[in-house]
Amino acid sequence: GQNIDQPTEMTATEGAIVQINCTYQTSGFNGLFWYQQHAGEAPTFLSYNVLDGLEEKGRFSSFLSRSKGYSYLLLKELQMKDSASYLCAVGGSNYQLIWGAGTKLIIKP
Amino acid sequence: EAGVAQSPRYKIIEKRQSVAFWCNPISGHATLYWYQQILGQGPKLLIQFQNNGVVDDSQLPKDRFSAERLKGVDSTLKIQPAKLEDSAVYLCASSPFPRGSYNEQFFGPGTRLTVL
Repeated sequence: GQNIDQPTEMTATEGAIVQINCTYQTSGFNGLFWYQQHAGEAPTFLSYNVLDGLEEKGRFSSFLSRSKGYSYLLLKELQMKDSASYLCAVGGSNYQLIWGAGTKLIIKP
Repeated sequence: EAGVAQSPRYKIIEKRQSVAFWCNPISGHATLYWYQQILGQGPKLLIQFQNNGVVDDSQLPKDRFSAERLKGVDSTLKIQPAKLEDSAVYLCASSPFPRGSYNEQFFGPGTRLTVL
């Protein structure tokens, strides 16, 4: 079967760093995406990893280990506006995305 | 570049009524997806179109849900009759013709459906 696991909820403090983990077991792999979704809004693209290693984009970084079926999203210098759900999705066959349930990140002042 | 458009944004109906949602993807995007997202869950794919052909509708409850994409552009998703468990956000997404493995999807604002 196909399975993507990520924590349901995390809490962090403004200005701190938080790491959101994602583990996956899928029949195919065409890259791993992270999306951000604010409450009541549509998901928006954050990052894409297809090769092992770290991709950095401003305050956000994403890491992938294909051999371990593991990825994480690292958010630095947290701001209140980063309070959102973070969705991990794996590219499968037929150009589909297999979605995790999302991690709700709560930022406290 | 205009984004993915959806309407209506909100809809409240009673069970056993019918409802239709409309989506206009980003111009030139070949692939269109309809998702159902229940609160606290990730998006669940209902149907995927490539141009005006169906690629995957394996998770579409075909006894009550139908979708079409005429002329490979706009799409409509219909529910008839609606059930209480259909209460969810219905997201439309589109993507350009894939470049290798990369296939970013662009989402519309969604339609929040409440079935009473």
